Amino acid sequence: DAGVIQSPRHEVTEMGQEVTLRCKPISGHDYLFWYRQTMMRGLELLIYFNNNVPIDDSGMPEDRFSAKMPNASFSTLKIQPSEPRDSAVYFCASTPSGTSDYNEQFFGPGTRLTVL
Amino acid sequence: AQTVTQSQPEMSVQEAETVTLSCTYDTSESDYYLFWYKQPPSRQMILVIRQEAYKQQNATENRFSVNFQKAAKSFSLKISDSQLGDAAMYFCAYRANFGNEKLTFGTGTRLTIIP
Repeated sequence: DAGVIQSPRHEVTEMGQEVTLRCKPISGHDYLFWYRQTMMRGLELLIYFNNNVPIDDSGMPEDRFSAKMPNASFSTLKIQPSEPRDSAVYFCASTPSGTSDYNEQFFGPGTRLTVL
Repeated sequence: AQTVTQSQPEMSVQEAETVTLSCTYDTSESDYYLFWYKQPPSRQMILVIRQEAYKQQNATENRFSVNFQKAAKSFSLKISDSQLGDAAMYFCAYRANFGNEKLTFGTGTRLTIIP
């Protein structure tokens, strides 16, 4: 199993630019989560999907952030326009329903975003 | 809303000794899950151990065990025979059993192992 795949691993951009983060969940997992980790706020959920449908997006900071899951094997998190306060590590995680693994979220390696 | 509190920003332990990391949480739910995740410098989030709230028996995974006190809403992690590879940030996390699958994390405890 390849695990959760995220790209890019590192992104450096300038304020005002559009940033797109990508995630491929583990095959067969029907839940997908986006988390953000910062020194100030720690780890917090941004949004999660079940069967490609957004279930809870209450953690999305503002309209500059958007997330999509066009199919079961791909999700994007887009920031437009980016700001320095968006600098953080963004994690994607997935989990399957209906199995004993349902209790565990499998995390990707994260994308470290730096907005100058 | 659920909250998770880790009151120890940093801990250190001598190699081969035992250390306990504290975690408390607040919830009105009766059925939920609790987790400890390890984040080494590589920043990969690794599940260490999990506990189902309906189980009275404390979970154990090799050198890692928990002390789950449901009434007190306390969930501490004990690491026995500490090894250099245990050095990392440790996060306590909560997840409701029904309704919302998101994880709510504590602020983390940085564990240092002294050789």
